Amino acid sequence: QQQVKQSPQSLIVQKGGISIINCAYENTAFDYFPWYQQFPGKGPALLIAIRPDVSEKKEGRFTISFNKSAKQFSLHIMDSQPGDSATYFCAAMGGKLIFGQGTELSVKP
Amino acid sequence: GAVVSQHPSRVICKSGTSVKIECRSLDFQATTMFWYRQFPKQSLMLMATSNEGSKATYEQGVEKDKFLINHASLTLSTLTVTSAHPEDSSFYICSARRGGGRSTDTQYFGPGTRLTVL
Repeated sequence: QQQVKQSPQSLIVQKGGISIINCAYENTAFDYFPWYQQFPGKGPALLIAIRPDVSEKKEGRFTISFNKSAKQFSLHIMDSQPGDSATYFCAAMGGKLIFGQGTELSVKP
Repeated sequence: GAVVSQHPSRVICKSGTSVKIECRSLDFQATTMFWYRQFPKQSLMLMATSNEGSKATYEQGVEKDKFLINHASLTLSTLTVTSAHPEDSSFYICSARRGGGRSTDTQYFGPGTRLTVL
């Protein structure tokens, strides 16, 4: 119940394309859903976050879509750039942050 | 934005020695800090939650006597890996929670410390 399942494990996208990463959870007590971006050898950086009373949040090229009934949320990266190549983690907060398994995104020029 | 620093960024030590890692919130006070461990190509695993002025809360399976955590001030938490062994080699990342103390307040992560035990 404390798990957050993330897919895909890896993703290759052409420059300018849309990158989509999905996460699913079981615990309905989770009340905060952040996404983190991590470059090799660095700590994760907060990208965007959403609360369950909102179905969508957009910040620049990054959008979170949230489906409370399905207990799923996803990250969309529009106009993907080579500089977006990194590992992305979804997470859910239920007293403590529970991380998904991570998605290694590679954006090809 | 909020800045969290870690020192050292990387450390190599011999088996059996102890290593201390510092985590500092540079521009905000953090009543709660967290320590994570990340193995290559894996996710972050929470090791312990540290509250200023009180004992840390460790996650199941994390040895309290091996991973000593001290949170002596609102801007500093330390993790000491005692009697380190090669299997302790990992990427250790701290985070600090900024806000009024609610669990949903934003956590900001440090840059991580790469520990290699020979």
